[in-house]
Amino acid sequence: KNEVEQSPQNLTAQEGEFITINCSYSVGISALHWLQQHPGGGIVSLFMLSSGKKKHGRLIATINIQEKHSSLHITASHPRDSAVYICAVAPNTGNQFYFGTGTSLTVIP
Amino acid sequence: NAGVTQTPKFQVLKTGQSMTLQCAQDMNHNSMYWYRQDPGMGLRLIYYSASEGTTDKGEVPNGYNVSRLNKREFSLRLESAAPSQTSVYFCASSWTGRSPLHFGNGTRLTVT
Repeated sequence: KNEVEQSPQNLTAQEGEFITINCSYSVGISALHWLQQHPGGGIVSLFMLSSGKKKHGRLIATINIQEKHSSLHITASHPRDSAVYICAVAPNTGNQFYFGTGTSLTVIP
Repeated sequence: NAGVTQTPKFQVLKTGQSMTLQCAQDMNHNSMYWYRQDPGMGLRLIYYSASEGTTDKGEVPNGYNVSRLNKREFSLRLESAAPSQTSVYFCASSWTGRSPLHFGNGTRLTVT
């Protein structure tokens, strides 16, 4: 049973393209996190959100609590954006997080 | 600004050997976690500690033990390593689910 589903699993884009990664979840949550992992690298937190929309540079994250859905957008994509993007949710109860399996993004120059 | 410090970065073990992965955070977080990451499976929780002195099993606890030595440190022990434990291990910490997760740099473990 997967509480968090991400799509697509793999994504290849040309530099400059607008990119969308989707995350759907099945449990009630207190917050949703978007994480980034570069090849062979550690995992960093990009966004934490519980409603609405957040923007940081070329990255935008949105969440629709009623539809249990979040999107991560990258505008004017660049090869340095190539990474795995992971969606994670914090359920309303308990101290655990549920993770999606990640979206592997490759941006070609 | 150390954040979450995890050691070692790489380790190769023979089947049956034991080892301890160390994790320390300097952000005064209550919650600490150990995950393993395997291709195509995402991050899976091994054990977590909601506060100093408490530990709880996660999704895949078999073959592992943990110790929350104090608020800063949370170690993961493999008593008798098996090839199925070949994986990348991440330690993480946070205040609560409503606060950002901070990860260590990972330990790549190979068991032959």
